[in-house]
Amino acid sequence: DAMVIQNPRYQVTQFGKPVTLSCSQTLNHNVMYWYQQKSSQAPKLLFHYYDKDFNNEADTPDNFQSRRPNTSFCFLDIRSPGLGDAAMYLCATSRGALGELFFGEGSRLTVL
Amino acid sequence: GEDVEQSLFLSVREGDSSVINCTYTDSSSTYLYWYKQEPGAGLQLLTYIFSNMDMKQDQRLTVLLNKKDKHLSLRIADTQTGDSAIYFCAETLRNQGGKLIFGQGTELSVKP
Repeated sequence: DAMVIQNPRYQVTQFGKPVTLSCSQTLNHNVMYWYQQKSSQAPKLLFHYYDKDFNNEADTPDNFQSRRPNTSFCFLDIRSPGLGDAAMYLCATSRGALGELFFGEGSRLTVL
Repeated sequence: GEDVEQSLFLSVREGDSSVINCTYTDSSSTYLYWYKQEPGAGLQLLTYIFSNMDMKQDQRLTVLLNKKDKHLSLRIADTQTGDSAIYFCAETLRNQGGKLIFGQGTELSVKP
C-alpha cells in the first residue's frame, strides 16, 4: 500500500493560474519535504516542514508556498505558474531530519 | 560547498555487471544514498551507506565508499532489463539538518 500519496499525478494549468498539489502520508513522519525535478535534472529541495516549523530554501521563488494543516497532509501552492515551473513535484517524508526519505510517485505539472 | 556529480549515461548488456560512479564534495556527509527512478515514478531508495563504512553489500548491490577521494560507487551484479532506470546518488549534510543533495542521475540502459 502506498505510504506517501500525491494528488493529482498529472496537472495541467494555464500560465498564471494558481495550482495546488497535495501530499498525504500514513507513516506518521514528522518531516515532510517538497522537491522540484525538471526534466533530466536532479531533484531540488524547495522547502520542508519539521513538525510545524516551515523551512524555506534560500533560492526557492516566492511564487511557491506550502501549508501543513496537520501531520498527515502537506500542500504545495504555486501562486502564478510560469512556463519554467513545469516539472515533476515530489513529496517525501522522514522520521527526523536524518531518517530515510520515503517519496511519493510525484505530480507532473504542465503549464500552457 | 555541496555538489554531487555523476556520469549521465551507462549502457550494459543483460547479465553483465553495472558500475555507477558518483563524486561528492562535502566532507560533513553522514549518509550516502542510491535511489532508483523509473519513468514517470517517484524515487525508490535502493541502499545507503554510513560515512564511516567503506563497503556494503545487499544481494545484487554493492556500494563502495572511498572517503578520502569522496567517491561512491554502486555495482549491480547480473544486471537485468528491469534494472533500466535513472540512478541518483545523494548525500545528507550533517551541518544542514540532514538536507539531502542529489546528483543529476545516471541513466542505465540494459540491452538484451
